[in-house]
Amino acid sequence: LAKTTQPISMDSYEGQEVNITCSHNNIATNDYITWYQQFPSQGPRFIIQGYKTKVTNEVASLFIPADRKSSTLSLPRVSLSDTAVYYCLVVPKGTNAGKSTFGDGTTLTVKP
Amino acid sequence: DAGVTQSPTHLIKTRGQQVTLRCSPKSGHDTVSWYQQALGQGPQFIFQYYEEEERQRGNFPDRFSGHQFPNYSSELNVNALLLGDSALYLCASSALQGNGYNSPLHFGNGTRLTVT
Repeated sequence: LAKTTQPISMDSYEGQEVNITCSHNNIATNDYITWYQQFPSQGPRFIIQGYKTKVTNEVASLFIPADRKSSTLSLPRVSLSDTAVYYCLVVPKGTNAGKSTFGDGTTLTVKP
Repeated sequence: DAGVTQSPTHLIKTRGQQVTLRCSPKSGHDTVSWYQQALGQGPQFIFQYYEEEERQRGNFPDRFSGHQFPNYSSELNVNALLLGDSALYLCASSALQGNGYNSPLHFGNGTRLTVT
């Protein structure tokens, strides 16, 4: 299963765009990429997932280059409530999906 | 539509005791996974249940065991508790889709276990 590497922490200010990059050099052909957000004392919450190119939903965009060895989560115009830990996961097809490794995530701190 | 529910929310046990944690998956989900999250770390995969069988297991000792019931709910049992078992235990549910991929994980808010 592919291992992921993310920055340990990032700081931003309200209203800015935040980009968090995740490296996953040994991603397999059938793997897809998923991002989660976690607040203290809560379970992680699904944000977005994708396989290649660009995916956008109401809260974020996910950019995946052609070689798929990295991905970038983009949060537009962050607010104080976006302060959380963000996890990148590489998820395989089928029954191995549950073994995906969360890593220690990126702690995003949004300042006023 | 209820999401993933876990009980109890908090638990204090003594070293050597046994504990059972419970999880009800999101409606429509048939797969339950359990994770252990120590303070300041990411969730670590314990095991996954599908069709009432353990399908995948992480690097956890046999003291950690589980069960899935016909209604897809699940239990996590930990025997001979150690101080190091103190953590947030998270349950996540998902559904195996027709394309062979699991739907994104939906997590409960966990059970905070403290072993003294």
